[in-house]
Amino acid sequence: RKEVEQDPGPFNVPEGATVAFNCTYSNSASQSFFWYRQDCRKEPKLLMSVYSSGNEDGRFTAQLNRASQYISLLIRDSKLSDSATYLCVVSTNDYKLSFGAGTTVTVRA
Amino acid sequence: DTEVTQTPKHLVMGMTNKKSLKCEQHMGHRAMYWYKQKAKKPPELMFVYSYEKLSINESVPSRFSPECPNSSLLNLHLHALQPEDSALYLCASSQERDRGGYTFGSGTRLTVV
Repeated sequence: RKEVEQDPGPFNVPEGATVAFNCTYSNSASQSFFWYRQDCRKEPKLLMSVYSSGNEDGRFTAQLNRASQYISLLIRDSKLSDSATYLCVVSTNDYKLSFGAGTTVTVRA
Repeated sequence: DTEVTQTPKHLVMGMTNKKSLKCEQHMGHRAMYWYKQKAKKPPELMFVYSYEKLSINESVPSRFSPECPNSSLLNLHLHALQPEDSALYLCASSQERDRGGYTFGSGTRLTVV
């Protein structure tokens, strides 16, 4: 079983729509959780950390469910510029990041 | 300064060449990483340096040799690579342990011919 699993998508949504997707992780000792976005042929960039209480950053909302071992990302009012691959990233306390394979989101005009 | 700078951005090398990838950060981060990323795959961890000491080597072949000259610099020395080593090589840094996110450099796109 992979350490981090994501729905690869693609999620094709019109501008202004809401899109949400999840990521599950297998290691119950995982300590930190992040969403990164990666544009084609670019490096991953930190979108947001995910906290136990859930957190919001503008149009982006992240949730963590430790009991069920999943995290989610919701994007409201999608923009064309939100088109990217979203990587779920989980770490234990040993410097190692585990990456999901990514969820591709395409926002169309 | 919140950047991780990698050079070169692109590199083409023959299987008998020796080359080095360089990475620099001035954010005071004490952990630095090398990742390898193939197309349409997530990054794969290669090496972790913590306080300038190698703390994790993910069973990487010896044709890849990391070096951390000081807390701001991380090198990856390449020798006798194979065509299947062609990939995007990403450097990243973070504060101690896993506090906060990791900052990635823009990567070196390596092609082995």
